Amino acid sequence: GENVEQHPSTLSVQEGDSAVIKCTYSDSASNYFPWYKQELGKRPQLIIDIRSNVGEKKDQRIAVTLNKTAKHFSLHITETQPEDSAVYFCAASLNSGGYQKVTFGTGTKLQVIP
Amino acid sequence: EAQVTQNPRYLITVTGKKLTVTCSQNMNHEYMSWYRQDPGLGLRQIYYSMNVEVTDKGDVPEGYKVSRKEKRNFPLILESPSPNQTSLYFCASSFGGRETQYFGPGTRLLVL
Repeated sequence: GENVEQHPSTLSVQEGDSAVIKCTYSDSASNYFPWYKQELGKRPQLIIDIRSNVGEKKDQRIAVTLNKTAKHFSLHITETQPEDSAVYFCAASLNSGGYQKVTFGTGTKLQVIP
Repeated sequence: EAQVTQNPRYLITVTGKKLTVTCSQNMNHEYMSWYRQDPGLGLRQIYYSMNVEVTDKGDVPEGYKVSRKEKRNFPLILESPSPNQTSLYFCASSFGGRETQYFGPGTRLLVL
């Protein structure tokens, strides 16, 4: 099955700095890589995603890069703000025999210090 | 309003007493999934369903059952709960396994 590793587990940055979270996956058949943000006490919500036929995607201050050869993908947040403080999860969706199974990383707690 | 609902939101039960957590979505999504969230372990998929009557095991299916008789509903059944099933459970739905998943509000379960 798929294995997703996520680093770091915690990250503190000064407001205005950039934050980078990295994930690796094990199965080359994975073809969809979403990132979810979970604020304290709330449900996870998608912030950005990337498909296996794309190398990079941007949405305002957030970007995701995918390196299929190395099997890793990263979330980049620029100009961080206090409201970016949350737990971020990466995930990989694996196509296996027509079924699509999703495996999440263990999460990164991001703290943005004002 | 497009949403995923779960019930109950909080549940305290005892070992061995069968329980069901309901999940319903009103977005006509085909793909539905159950996750459990535990500190340090992230979100782990329990079961998922590609469509009505089509389900498959996720990474941690032991001790759980699911059914998908209708498109909008995907209940999670614990036939004989044990303390190691104490966790925060999320239901999610999407148009497909490669699409945005919309999560329910979560069900916090404590098994004594």
